[in-house]
Amino acid sequence: AQSVTQLDSHVSVSEGTPVLLRCNYSSSYSPSLFWYVQHPNKGLQLLLKYTSAATLVKGINGFEAEFKKSETSFHLTKPSAHMSDAAEYFCVVSAKAGTALIFGKGTTLSVSS
Amino acid sequence: KAGVTQTPRYLIKTRGQQVTLSCSPISGHRSVSWYQQTPGQGLQFLFEYFSETQRNKGNFPGRFSGRQFSNSRSEMNVSTLELGDSALYLCASGLRSAGIQGGELFFGEGSRLTVL
Repeated sequence: AQSVTQLDSHVSVSEGTPVLLRCNYSSSYSPSLFWYVQHPNKGLQLLLKYTSAATLVKGINGFEAEFKKSETSFHLTKPSAHMSDAAEYFCVVSAKAGTALIFGKGTTLSVSS
Repeated sequence: KAGVTQTPRYLIKTRGQQVTLSCSPISGHRSVSWYQQTPGQGLQFLFEYFSETQRNKGNFPGRFSGRQFSNSRSEMNVSTLELGDSALYLCASGLRSAGIQGGELFFGEGSRLTVL
């Protein structure tokens, strides 16, 4: 079975400090992993994806994530938070053809000035 | 290149009515998936269509149905609306069927349904 767990429902950081959003996954197959961001009253936007190529994946807006198979993790990071990063972030696993993408419960990122 | 377009963006219905939501995918995309998003349950998968065929279905009652047309546009219908159907309904399109490795989805902005 496939599953994804976002370890924090809410993360608060100050502008200019690093961001770490944690995600663990479980999959019987070689997964594809994604991070999506959702700003208020908007749809989801793809930040980055891992598809069994490089384990360190760079995405848009300075975000990156590292796939660690031994830890079954795919944490999202950014060196310096901006106010505009305040949003909800979803970790997603895609494990097998013919199955739906599996979304985590989401992590709300708050950024204070 | 136009993104995923969902209509209507906002709508209000009363219990017992039915509603139809529309989704136009990105040009060339053959996969359309529908999700229900609520504060309590998060994002829940409704169904996926690929080339007019339903490929996968989530755990929702039969009141929720969908279809896909030959031009890949998709509609979902909810009959006999209940208060609990109030949610943001998101449509997403993709080049490949969801679940195939690397097949990311591109989301519309959603249709916000309020049931009174």
